[in-house]
Amino acid sequence: EPEVTQTPSHQVTQMGQEVILRCVPISNHLYFYWYRQILGQKVEFLVSFYNNEISEKSEIFDDQFSVERPDGSNFTLKIRSTKLEDSAMYFCASSDIGMMGTEAFFGQGTRLTVV
Amino acid sequence: QKEVEQNSGPLSVPEGAIASLNCTYSDRGSQSFFWYRQYSGKSPELIMFIYSNGDKEDGRFTAQLNKASQYVSLLIRDSQPSDSATYLCAVNMNRDDKIIFGKGTRLHILP
Repeated sequence: EPEVTQTPSHQVTQMGQEVILRCVPISNHLYFYWYRQILGQKVEFLVSFYNNEISEKSEIFDDQFSVERPDGSNFTLKIRSTKLEDSAMYFCASSDIGMMGTEAFFGQGTRLTVV
Repeated sequence: QKEVEQNSGPLSVPEGAIASLNCTYSDRGSQSFFWYRQYSGKSPELIMFIYSNGDKEDGRFTAQLNKASQYVSLLIRDSQPSDSATYLCAVNMNRDDKIIFGKGTRLHILP
């Protein structure tokens, strides 16, 4: 069964450092998303991406965040200068026709710990 | 502020009984409604989605939607201990390209 793959599964970084979280969406999907979940809190939308550009982003997704699809298979989330409050589980998701009409499939997540 | 509300629980249900999980949403323009299951430390896993008013059944799961009341529910029949998890209601609002999650309801099936 096709699945969304995320690496690494756990990343520890020092405050102020840059991190890149990687995702390989399902191969025939065209819509890509990042969500995050701070421990004990709800899953929060960060950004949606389609046709090589951001289609929507939340207030959380400020100038410290960026996304990129560097090749035909990877989708990355970069945090330029990490803060303690960026510690969370980050989930990548992909969908074939977008979240308006169908389900999105989530990766297993990357746990980011900022120390 | 677009919101999805769920009772956080925990909801304790005896094994073999019906578990009923509820969700309300704020945006009348919402189009699509999803139930995800999340085990502790894991990613959300889609159980069901529903677009139209009424009931939709898939195995032991039934999703119910009432757009007039802005209410969606999930029934789990013949509850099993493996159903113990947090159930997340998610809503696509106003044809945005994202879904908004509720905080989730923790379900505990008692053996």
